[in-house]
Amino acid sequence: AQKITQTQPGMFVQEKEAVTLDCTYDTSDPSYGLFWYKQPSSGEMIFLIYQGSYDQQNATEGRYSLNFQKARKSANLVISASQLGDSAMYFCAAGGSSNTGKLIFGQGTTLQVKP
Amino acid sequence: GAVVSQHPSRVICKSGTSVKIECRSLDFQATTMFWYRQFPKKSLMLMATSNEGSKATYEQGVEKDKFLINHASLTLSTLTVTSAHPEDSSFYICSARDGGMNTGELFFGEGSRLTVL
Repeated sequence: AQKITQTQPGMFVQEKEAVTLDCTYDTSDPSYGLFWYKQPSSGEMIFLIYQGSYDQQNATEGRYSLNFQKARKSANLVISASQLGDSAMYFCAAGGSSNTGKLIFGQGTTLQVKP
Repeated sequence: GAVVSQHPSRVICKSGTSVKIECRSLDFQATTMFWYRQFPKKSLMLMATSNEGSKATYEQGVEKDKFLINHASLTLSTLTVTSAHPEDSSFYICSARDGGMNTGELFFGEGSRLTVL
C-alpha cells in the first residue's frame, strides 16, 4: 500500500519568490514514480513534474524542480520565481511500477501567490 | 501532447436517475483508464481501473453496481452513476496513460461535476 502526506494545507508566497511544497511518501514497492499536479479552480489536473525512484538526478521542468530525497522518502516541489498564475491547489501523487497509471494522491496544498 | 477529454463537464440530475460520463483519449490508445472522485477541497480518490475489453477493477469500498464502468474501445471508457442520490454529487475525473510509466505520461480529463438534486 502507498500513502502520500502533504502537511501544508495552505501556503502563501510573494510573487517572484520561490516556494517549497512538502510531500512525503510511504510505499513498499521497490520501483515507483512520484508526480506533482496542479489543479486550478477550473478543476483540471495539470501535470507538472515526474520523478522515478531510480532516477539519479532530481527532476526539473522549467520553474519546477523536485527535491527527491529517497532515504527520507520525501519529494518536495520547488517552484521558482512564483507567478500569480501559480495560485492553485497542488497534489503530490505516487504510483508503483506494477500499477502503471494508478496513482495515490496526497491531501493537497493550496498555494496563493501574493502580488 | 496527449489529450484526454471528458463529457459532460457539468451535469445536474434528479435523484434516482442514472448519469453517464465519458472519458476519451483523443490522440492515443489507452488500454487502461482510471476513474477518480474528488470532493470539494479534498484529494482525488481512486475509484476503479477501467480495462479495455474486460471488467473494471474497483477499489475497496466502491460499489460496483453503483458505479458501472465500461471500456468498450481503446479510446473510450464510460462511468455510469446508477440511481444517483445527492451523496453521489462530486467531481469525477478520469486519467489515461500514454506510453510507459517511466515516462510519467499520464493525462487527466477536464473532470465532470455531478450535482444530484
